[in-house]
Order: sequence, then structure tokens, then C-alpha cells
Amino acid sequence: EVQLVQSGAEVKKSGESLKISCQGSGYKFATYWIGWVRQMPGKGLEWMGIIYPEDSETRYSPSFQGQITISVDKSINTAYLHWRSLKASDTAMYYCARRGKGGSPPDFWGQGTLVTVSS
Amino acid sequence: QSALTQSASVSGSPGQSITISCTGTSNDVGTYDLVSWYQQHPGKAPKLMIYEVNKRPSGVSDRFSGSKSGNTASLTISGLQAEDEADYYCCSYAGSSNPWVFGGGTRLTVL
Repeated sequence: EVQLVQSGAEVKKSGESLKISCQGSGYKFATYWIGWVRQMPGKGLEWMGIIYPEDSETRYSPSFQGQITISVDKSINTAYLHWRSLKASDTAMYYCARRGKGGSPPDFWGQGTLVTVSS
Repeated sequence: QSALTQSASVSGSPGQSITISCTGTSNDVGTYDLVSWYQQHPGKAPKLMIYEVNKRPSGVSDRFSGSKSGNTASLTISGLQAEDEADYYCCSYAGSSNPWVFGGGTRLTVL
């Protein structure tokens, strides 16, 4: 059974750094792209970036380029989303999701990590 | 990279059918048969309901169907049930540098 398990909720202050994680299981982790999706309170889904665990090739949405870093440790089947300096506007739910075969949009999703940033 | 366009809300009575549309451009929906639909209940992660325009994952009711014409994809839910009340999002591939373009979401209310 394919599963993506994300790290727990975080409460941080503006200016602090943060790294959240997403661990995959039940499939060959290294050969499926993993993406991150933001959902701000009461809003829709926004693609942030995506990484290929086998070689760490990474692509970012222009809206998030320079604001986040996506990385992976394929030895432990885990992808990461990292902020160097959080802002209050980063308060949101963050989902990791596995890209479907053939370039399809996501087929499996993590349960989400709620990040709350106070100013 | 603009989001795909969905109507904000739709409603229907139990047993009826509804259709949610998702309009993109020739850069995404119009070119690629890689459109997916997701159901999201409050406080839950999105769930894949349709992929590759009209395919259903195992376990998804056949009351859910998808189609595409030109730059517009559609999700039809037949025989509406109370548990179908949720937010629905479309998503299209739009090239290697923009792999996931989402619609703004449609809130389905079952009256």
C-alpha cells in the first residue's frame, strides 16, 4: 500500500527556519517524483516544487523559487521542504504528493503538515 | 502560470447529476490528456477521483466520470449522495517546468 507520511504540525515565529518531511513507503520511492503543495487557510491548492529522488533533480514554481528549498534523502525514502526565514504569510497546510506515472498530476497524497507562523 | 478556471460553487439534490468544468489553455488542458480531479473534505487531504481525463482509480465509485473537450475538462457526478459534498479541484500537466497546474476549486453542496 502506497503511503506518504508527513511530519507533525509546527508553530514558529517569523524569521525562524523550518524543515518538514514526507516519508514514502509501499513503492519504489526513488523512481517517482515527489511534489509539495500549499493550501492557505480557506484557499485552493498551489504547486510549490517537485523533486526526483533518484538524482535529486528539482524544479520550483516561479511563485516559490528562492523562498523554499526542496531536498531528499533517498536512503530513508524521505523528502523535505525547508524555509530559511519564515513569514506570517507562510501559515498554511502543506501537502506532499507523489506524481503519477507518465507525468500525471498527483496520485497519492500525504496527510498534510500545518505550519503556523506568528509575527 | 495561471490557475485553471473552475466555477466557485455548484449544488444539486440527492440523486441528481452535476457537472463541474475546468477551463485551461492550449498550454495545459488543451494539449495534454493528463487531467486529474480531486475531492477534498474539510480538514482532509485531497483524494484522487479521476486521472488521465477519464480513468477512475480502484475504489472510486463509477458515479464519478471525467471528460475533455478542447481546453475544458469536466467532472460529472451522477446519483448525488450526501457524502459527495466537498471541494473538488482539477489539475493538469503543463510541461516539465510546470507539472501541476490546479484549478481554484469548486464547492459542491448537496441540498
